[in-house]
Amino acid sequence: EPEVTQTPSHQVTQMGQEVILRCVPISNHLYFYWYRQILGQKVEFLVSFYNNEISEKSEIFDDQFSVERPDGSNFTLKIRSTKLEDSAMYFCASSRQGPTNEKLFFGSGTQLSVL
Amino acid sequence: AQSVTQLDSHVSVSEGTPVLLRCNYSSSYSPSLFWYVQHPNKGLQLLLKYTSAATLVKGINGFEAEFKKSETSFHLTKPSAHMSDAAEYFCVVRSKAAGNKLTFGGGTRVLVKP
Repeated sequence: EPEVTQTPSHQVTQMGQEVILRCVPISNHLYFYWYRQILGQKVEFLVSFYNNEISEKSEIFDDQFSVERPDGSNFTLKIRSTKLEDSAMYFCASSRQGPTNEKLFFGSGTQLSVL
Repeated sequence: AQSVTQLDSHVSVSEGTPVLLRCNYSSSYSPSLFWYVQHPNKGLQLLLKYTSAATLVKGINGFEAEFKKSETSFHLTKPSAHMSDAAEYFCVVRSKAAGNKLTFGGGTRVLVKP
């Protein structure tokens, strides 16, 4: 079965630094998502992306966050100036169709630790 | 608003015995419901989904779930646990009223004893 690939699997950074989390969605998918899970809390939605623009975002996704599809294969999440509370597991997902298509394919996650 | 409550954070079963993972949801609109599984160092994998068709849904690896609107539940079951079922399981709800984003339960970690 095709897979969503996320790199790196672990990222450690200093508070205030910029980080970029990378994802390679499944090749014929058109919709892309980021979710995150803070330790001990539920997985929560961050943002969805389609046709080179954000289609929906949560209140978590403030000006410190941005997403980009810089080329035909990568989908990135950038945190401009990391805070301690950004430490979490970040999951990328993709789907072939839009919100009415239920099957999202998730990556294995990037564990971000902000020190 | 929508929410999901997984009633057990941990479940321990013996190999060959039934598995029951409980999930209750709240949604102000007709929901779609899902179960995802995450094995160590793997991505979240869809086990099964309910989307207003048959209330008893069969998924992969012998799992099934029953949608009970009157009880707002979507419990996941498997008649006979296998060692490979040890993983974390997430109950998830989605509805148009919530913008079609997925809302996750807190997860249930399943331990299978030989």
